[in-house]
Amino acid sequence: AQTVTQSQPEMSVQEAETVTLSCTYDTSESDYYLFWYKQPPSRQMILVIRQEAYKQQNATENRFSVNFQKAAKSFSLKISDSQLGDAAMYFCAYRSARNFVFGPGTRLSVLP
Amino acid sequence: DSGVTQTPKHLITATGQRVTLRCSPRSGDLSVYWYQQSLDQGLQFLIQYYNGEERAKGNILERFSAQQFPDLHSELNLSSLELGDSALYFCASSDPLNPANYGYTFGSGTRLTVV
Repeated sequence: AQTVTQSQPEMSVQEAETVTLSCTYDTSESDYYLFWYKQPPSRQMILVIRQEAYKQQNATENRFSVNFQKAAKSFSLKISDSQLGDAAMYFCAYRSARNFVFGPGTRLSVLP
Repeated sequence: DSGVTQTPKHLITATGQRVTLRCSPRSGDLSVYWYQQSLDQGLQFLIQYYNGEERAKGNILERFSAQQFPDLHSELNLSSLELGDSALYFCASSDPLNPANYGYTFGSGTRLTVV
């Protein structure tokens, strides 16, 4: 079965600095997608960024970018120029035709 | 507004009772998924429906059941409620043409409190 691991239960970053959240996954499938979701205090689940496994180029969405290492099954999220509004739980997720698995989450605090 | 509508937003009920949570998927989405999120926990997959049929089942208790209706809205029924069932229940939907491309669209959740 596919598993998603986020080894950092909590992280903190200074406002305007850069932070990287780690995610690793385990799968034997070749066709899959990876996502990062943000859950702010409002508890709404918000899609931050997605990466197709067949693409070598790392996805980027404004201040958010990923470092996708397919061989290592690693999918980290980098947040640049951190803002107070980035404070949230961040969930890494794996999606294939058969599975959609979420990691346990990383709680990110942004310090003013 | 994500396009996925969940009602009610909040629900407080007593142990032993039964409740129904409702979800209307985003327009055009045929798949509906239900997740449970207990306090400070991750997302626990409960069940998936696709165009009215059950497609996948997760760690859903026997006291819980769900269905998807012809108009594609879905209901999650929770019965014989226990204190431990208190959680945030999310519904999500996905695009049938690109089921894996864009992840889920989540509703805002129903916060269930069992007292």
